Amino acid sequence: EAGVAQSPRYKIIEKRQSVAFWCNPISGHATLYWYQQILGQGPKLLIQFQNNGVVDDSQLPKDRFSAERLKGVDSTLKIQPAKLEDSAVYLCASSLGAGTGYNEQFFGPGTRLTVL
Amino acid sequence: EDKVVQSPLSLVVHEGDTVTLNCSYEVTNFRSLLWYKQEKKAPTFLFMLTSSGIEKKSGRLSSILDKKELFSILNITATQTGDSAIYLCAVGSLSGTYKYIFGTGTRLKVLA
Repeated sequence: EAGVAQSPRYKIIEKRQSVAFWCNPISGHATLYWYQQILGQGPKLLIQFQNNGVVDDSQLPKDRFSAERLKGVDSTLKIQPAKLEDSAVYLCASSLGAGTGYNEQFFGPGTRLTVL
Repeated sequence: EDKVVQSPLSLVVHEGDTVTLNCSYEVTNFRSLLWYKQEKKAPTFLFMLTSSGIEKKSGRLSSILDKKELFSILNITATQTGDSAIYLCAVGSLSGTYKYIFGTGTRLKVLA
């Protein structure tokens, strides 16, 4: 079974530039999550999709971050414009079920973003 | 506010030692507690503990959940250098919508 795919693996940009990350979840997984993990901290949920609908985006800085899930499969996360504090690893995860709390999350390899 | 606290923040041991990692939580409508191992980037799943499954074991790793005292421990016996990683605890909480809240992790280093 193929895992969660993410690209790019690394990205270096200057502040105020834009950047986009892509995630392809495991086939058949209904729930997709984007997390931000700052060095030395645990992952923080940015947004959660159930199929192609947003379930939770309460911690997404909506003035600069946006995300969409196309046809309930792939997802993109965009930052525009980037700030220095956005430097982090962005992790995508997916789970089979409807986010009931009893489903294991499978994580992708992440994208390490450095904002200079 | 929901929170998950892990301790210790970091730990250095020698091969063969036994370690115990702690995770305490305060969340609304607890659903599950998950342990992950993070070596480079992607956390990999170790265990899920729920009300119906409060004890799990796999090889040298074992975990228990105490729902009364709101904590979990992850035990690793006969540690190996390959166990060096960050161990993350995540708690599933239903507060409006369902979400996982992660602790900051425990960084374990096993010396040869």
